[in-house]
Amino acid sequence: DTGVSQNPRHKITKRGQNVTFRCDPISEHNRLYWYRQTLGQGPEFLTYFQNEAQLEKSRLLSDRFSAERPKGSFSTLEIQRTEQGDSAMYLCASSQGDRGQKDTQYFGPGTRLTVL
Amino acid sequence: GQNIDQPTEMTATEGAIVQINCTYQTSGFNGLFWYQQHAGEAPTFLSYNVLDGLEEKGRFSSFLSRSKGYSYLLLKELQMKDSASYLCVGGRDDKIIFGKGTRLHILP
Repeated sequence: DTGVSQNPRHKITKRGQNVTFRCDPISEHNRLYWYRQTLGQGPEFLTYFQNEAQLEKSRLLSDRFSAERPKGSFSTLEIQRTEQGDSAMYLCASSQGDRGQKDTQYFGPGTRLTVL
Repeated sequence: GQNIDQPTEMTATEGAIVQINCTYQTSGFNGLFWYQQHAGEAPTFLSYNVLDGLEEKGRFSSFLSRSKGYSYLLLKELQMKDSASYLCVGGRDDKIIFGKGTRLHILP
């Protein structure tokens, strides 16, 4: 399977703990995106990378959140001192990064985080 | 602004046709995507419109009018597996902005 993969698929943690999620994009894709989705809402943009460079971060991404893509391949999203409001599905997507009109993003299965 | 509006829920009957409308108030979008999302799963790409008009792909068609800020997704010959949320998504060069989605219920 050459699609986007995410690990773990589910994570249950206690408030105050740190968690880290991993995303492996489609291999030839230059761009990698992180989103957060809560029940009944569409995905909300968090941040994205062009290769290893983090080009934009949403205001939703507080200082407890950090994302890296050190070698321009896989990415990690870390949440420090988790809060109950962090409970959500965290989605990763990748795209080729074409400068043309169409740059379709393909999504991974997501990591569902539950903070108790 | 970048508001994307679509109905929260719709219900249709198996075998029928349904049209899901989307309106947006934005500048800077250079295309309009539709994604399908089954409960608990990731969104999957359905269609992309960059020019005005209708794009047909099997049972699904998508329409865009840029001057009106309007798009629709047309689903024909509905099947039970089409029960899902359908997300209208505005695209810029490097980002996409999701609407809240329309939850489509299919009745037998």
